[in-house]
Amino acid sequence: DGGITQSPKYLFRKEGQNVTLSCEQNLNHDAMYWYRQDPGQGLRLIYYSQIVNDFQKGDIAEGYSVSREKKESFPLTVTSAQKNPTAFYLCASSMGQGFPYEQYFGPGTRLTVT
Amino acid sequence: AQSVAQPEDQVNVAEGNPLTVKCTYSVSGNPYLFWYVQYPNRGLQFLLKYITGDNLVKGSYGFEAEFNKSQTSFHLKKPSALVSDSALYFCAVRDISWNQGGKLIFGQGTELSVKP
Repeated sequence: DGGITQSPKYLFRKEGQNVTLSCEQNLNHDAMYWYRQDPGQGLRLIYYSQIVNDFQKGDIAEGYSVSREKKESFPLTVTSAQKNPTAFYLCASSMGQGFPYEQYFGPGTRLTVT
Repeated sequence: AQSVAQPEDQVNVAEGNPLTVKCTYSVSGNPYLFWYVQYPNRGLQFLLKYITGDNLVKGSYGFEAEFNKSQTSFHLKKPSALVSDSALYFCAVRDISWNQGGKLIFGQGTELSVKP
C-alpha cells in the first residue's frame, strides 16, 4: 500500500447524499485509477486519468465523477445517481500508460450507504 | 474482447505443499499479464508480471508464474505454501486496445486457504 493513501478507511452515508473519496499518491506517477470491488466480481474500472486535467470513463462510470487538478490527487465523488454505491473502492496509480507498468494500490475505502 | 478467467473460486492447500492458482487469458496479440494478492480489507499488492522473454517469471514472497502461450495460461505457483499465503489472488491482463490508459482487466479472484 506504500505511497498511496486513501481516506477515510470506512465511510457511512445516507441514501441521496453525495460523498467524496480521497486518493493521494507520492510516487510521482502520471496515471491514476479508481476501481470498485464487489464480492465475487473482481475489480471493475470506474475512471482513470493519464495526466493532470484529463480523465476518461471506465466500464462503470455512471453515477460517479472525478477530477485531476493535481498530479498527486484523484478524488472520486459517488453521487446520488449511483444506484448501488455500497462497495469497497480502490485507488491505484502507475508510472504511465505506454509501457505495461504495474499498478500500485491504496488500502481502499469501504463505503456503506443506507 | 480481451478477458481473463480464474476457474477456481477457492483453492485449499496444506502448509508445506506446493500450490497452484490458475489463470487463463484471451487477448489478441501478445499479452501482458499480472498477479496481485489481497489480504482482508486491504488494497492489492503486486506479485509479478509477464511482458516477454522467459516463460517462468519469479516474483515476491517466493511466488512464480508460468506463461504458456499454447494453453493461454498464466498459473501462479509456489513450491511450499505457508499459512500466511492465505489471501485472495487476482490475475489481470493489460487492455491493449488503443488509448485505454494502461487499463487492467481483472479476473474474479481465487481465495487461497492454506491449513496448518
